[in-house]
Amino acid sequence: AQSVTQLDSHVSVSEGTPVLLRCNYSSSYSPSLFWYVQHPNKGLQLLLKYTSAATLVKGINGFEAEFKKSETSFHLTKPSAHMSDAAEYFCVVSHLDNYGQNFVFGPGTRLSVLP
Amino acid sequence: DGGITQSPKYLFRKEGQNVTLSCEQNLNHDAMYWYRQDPGQGLRLIYYSQIVNDFQKGDIAEGYSVSREKKESFPLTVTSAQKNPTAFYLCASSWGSGQTEAFFGQGTRLTVV
Repeated sequence: AQSVTQLDSHVSVSEGTPVLLRCNYSSSYSPSLFWYVQHPNKGLQLLLKYTSAATLVKGINGFEAEFKKSETSFHLTKPSAHMSDAAEYFCVVSHLDNYGQNFVFGPGTRLSVLP
Repeated sequence: DGGITQSPKYLFRKEGQNVTLSCEQNLNHDAMYWYRQDPGQGLRLIYYSQIVNDFQKGDIAEGYSVSREKKESFPLTVTSAQKNPTAFYLCASSWGSGQTEAFFGQGTRLTVV
């Protein structure tokens, strides 16, 4: 069975400092992994995805993530936080079940950016 | 522009009423999904559909119903049997293969009054 753990429910950083949001997954086979961002009362927007190509994945708005199979991790980073980065972030694993494609969501990490 | 449209953005329901949330996509995606999101929580799957005229229950299907009569449309009905329907509802679509991402609508906030 697939599952996703986001180790921090809330992360607070100062503007201009690095961001690290942690994600660990469990998957029966080679996973496809995604990070999404959600601003209040909005839908989810894709930040980046890993689909068995390069292990270091670059996304939008300066975010990147590194797939580490040995650690079953897919942590999200950004070198310098901006006020507009304050939002909820979800780590997601995709898998195929008997019916078709399904997505398993982590519980989310709320990122606060302090001036 | 291609995308997913959910309507209405806000919906109020009286106790005992059924309400239907609309979800339309013009991405030509095969798969569509409905999720429920409660404050401070992640997304929980209600129903999903991989092809027209077929759908499967997700983790929290009780009190909900769906239909998939057209590829582009996947409406969700919240029935009076749903005991606690106040939540934020998100619709998504994807190509349905293992490696493709999901695209999300902007959500519908349902409140029971």
